[in-house]
Amino acid sequence: DAKTTQPTSMDCAEGRAANLPCNHSTISGNEYVYWYRQIHSQGPQYIIHGLKNNETNEMASLIITEDRKSSTLILPHATLRDTAVYYCIVSSNDYKLSFGAGTTVTVRA
Amino acid sequence: NAGVTQTPKFQVLKTGQSMTLQCAQDMNHNSMYWYRQDPGMGLRLIYYSASEGTTDKGEVPNGYNVSRLNKREFSLRLESAAPSQTSVYFCASSVGRLAKNIQYFGAGTRLSVL
Repeated sequence: DAKTTQPTSMDCAEGRAANLPCNHSTISGNEYVYWYRQIHSQGPQYIIHGLKNNETNEMASLIITEDRKSSTLILPHATLRDTAVYYCIVSSNDYKLSFGAGTTVTVRA
Repeated sequence: NAGVTQTPKFQVLKTGQSMTLQCAQDMNHNSMYWYRQDPGMGLRLIYYSASEGTTDKGEVPNGYNVSRLNKREFSLRLESAAPSQTSVYFCASSVGRLAKNIQYFGAGTRLSVL
């Protein structure tokens, strides 16, 4: 699976959009981009995934660049409950996900 | 609908003791997983079961055994616990191959080996 690079940490203001970047320059054609998050001491939670097209669900939007070498997770209106570690994962395997260190996002009032 | 349930939530063992971590899901999922998470690190896959009756090694299988008891249950056994196995253990499940890797996680078991 392709390696991903994420910033170690980032802050955002409550009520504002949070834009989380992820680089995956070695991604191959059949690899999906997944985003999960882990709120302190809890199990990870699936957020969204995509292959080529931008995706949106009730939690977030995923923007994938045309060359697929990077993506951005957008939390449209961040709340204090969105404070968590966010993992960007690239995988073509139906069963294996490789969780790196992720981005620690702190939402401030 | 409880999702993925793990027992126990906390456990303290002495070096050399054995124990089994239990996991059950009520979502009729085909695939189940065991991960460990050490402090400040991401999750690492120990074993997974793509479907009932099959199990496969993940990234860090040494020191562990698993049993897919039935479609609902997937247990993780430590035969002779070591301090290096002190960690938080997460079980997860997913529909399976056609639904891609959308995994649902339990709340975790916090294990300390002294």
